[in-house]
Amino acid sequence: QVQLVQSGAEVKKPGASVKVSCKVSGYTLTELSMHWVRQAPGKGLEWMGGFDPEDGETIYAQKFQGRVTMTEDTSTDTAYMELSSLRSEDTAVYYCATPHLTSWGQGTLVTVSS
Amino acid sequence: QPVLTQPPSSSASPGESARLTCTLPSDINVGSYNIYWYQQKPGSPPRYLLYYYSDSDKGQGSGVPSRFSGSKDASANTGILLISGLQSEDEADYYCMIWPSNAPLFGGGTKLTVL
Repeated sequence: QVQLVQSGAEVKKPGASVKVSCKVSGYTLTELSMHWVRQAPGKGLEWMGGFDPEDGETIYAQKFQGRVTMTEDTSTDTAYMELSSLRSEDTAVYYCATPHLTSWGQGTLVTVSS
Repeated sequence: QPVLTQPPSSSASPGESARLTCTLPSDINVGSYNIYWYQQKPGSPPRYLLYYYSDSDKGQGSGVPSRFSGSKDASANTGILLISGLQSEDEADYYCMIWPSNAPLFGGGTKLTVL
């Protein structure tokens, strides 16, 4: 059974960047194609991007292109999502999830506030 | 604005069945895609429930009771989550999703209240 454990809550100022980690256990990261989904307070689910194994590339949602970078450290089975140029609208819980979103991390609250 | 349309709320009594719908836009044929369903309770991540393509191609999430089941109504271009024998613990938000190419599309979610 795969388990995803994310880093803790963050508070950032507008214009800053945030990097959220997602540690995999039960599988190796090379066996998974990690995706990232966020959820603003009281709102629905919004896919940010993820690894497409057919193309061998990370695909980003158009909304976040240029601001988001998703990386992996296979030596530690840890995936990362970095979002830059933060604004108040980026305040949300950020989740990592496995292919077809069948397993989810516990979520990381990112608060953007001056 | 979510691409898939879900009613914002639904309610039913314990022991009854709840039928949650997920309507696809007219340019996306429900018959061509897996419909995925997720349950989310306050303060928790979404939980994968099941996917449904057809009666011969469907799958249940690990530990998900069989009283959660999926189906489609092709005439309405709609995916359906049926929860039978409702329990108080089923009160939650439910999201549908399809994965048409390399990016998933979500519904806006339905808040299910168990009266």
